[in-house]
Amino acid sequence: EVQLVESGGDLVQPGGSLRLSCVDSGFTFSSYWMSWVRQAPGKGLEWVANIRQDESEKYYVDSVKGRFTISRDNAKNSLYLQMSSLRAEDTAVYYCARQDGSVSYFDFWGQGTLVTVSS
Amino acid sequence: SYELTQPPSVSVSPGQTASITCSGDNLGDKKACWYQQKPGQSPVLVIYQNSKRPSGIPERFSGSNSGNTATLTISGTQAMDEADYYCQAWDISTFYVFGTGTKVTVL
Repeated sequence: EVQLVESGGDLVQPGGSLRLSCVDSGFTFSSYWMSWVRQAPGKGLEWVANIRQDESEKYYVDSVKGRFTISRDNAKNSLYLQMSSLRAEDTAVYYCARQDGSVSYFDFWGQGTLVTVSS
Repeated sequence: SYELTQPPSVSVSPGQTASITCSGDNLGDKKACWYQQKPGQSPVLVIYQNSKRPSGIPERFSGSNSGNTATLTISGTQAMDEADYYCQAWDISTFYVFGTGTKVTVL
């Protein structure tokens, strides 16, 4: 069974930093592109970043470029999102999501972890 | 930037058919997919590559995509289908774009 389990969400002050983790099981993690997708309270879904299997390609939504860094550790079946210079508008549930082989959609999602940016 | 527009809400009676549209420029040239999200839960893929159903998704869910509009159809809608539904497509300039979301209410 495919499982994606996020952690690391917390209350952080504006300008602060946070690192999210996603530990995956039930599939060959190293064979898939992986993404982070977020959802602000009461709002829709927004893709944040993704990473190729060997970390050779990484892409970000414009609003987080230069502030967020996606990474992975295939030996630990883990995906990460280092978030810095956090803003109130980054407040959201952050989901870890596996991308299908065509890389055009997300076939499995974690349960999400809540990041709240507030003073 | 590329945008996908959905109606905010759709109401349907139990056993009837619900149709949810997703509009975007030349969306028919892209591969659309659909996610179901129930309150407090993470999204679940219900349709991919315009019309394919993942394993475990009931046959009452179907999809189509042509011109500027993709459509998710729920036939014989059940109370358990009440949820938010999001379309999504991939665009070379904005990568993964989600629709604005549609709340389906089963009356």
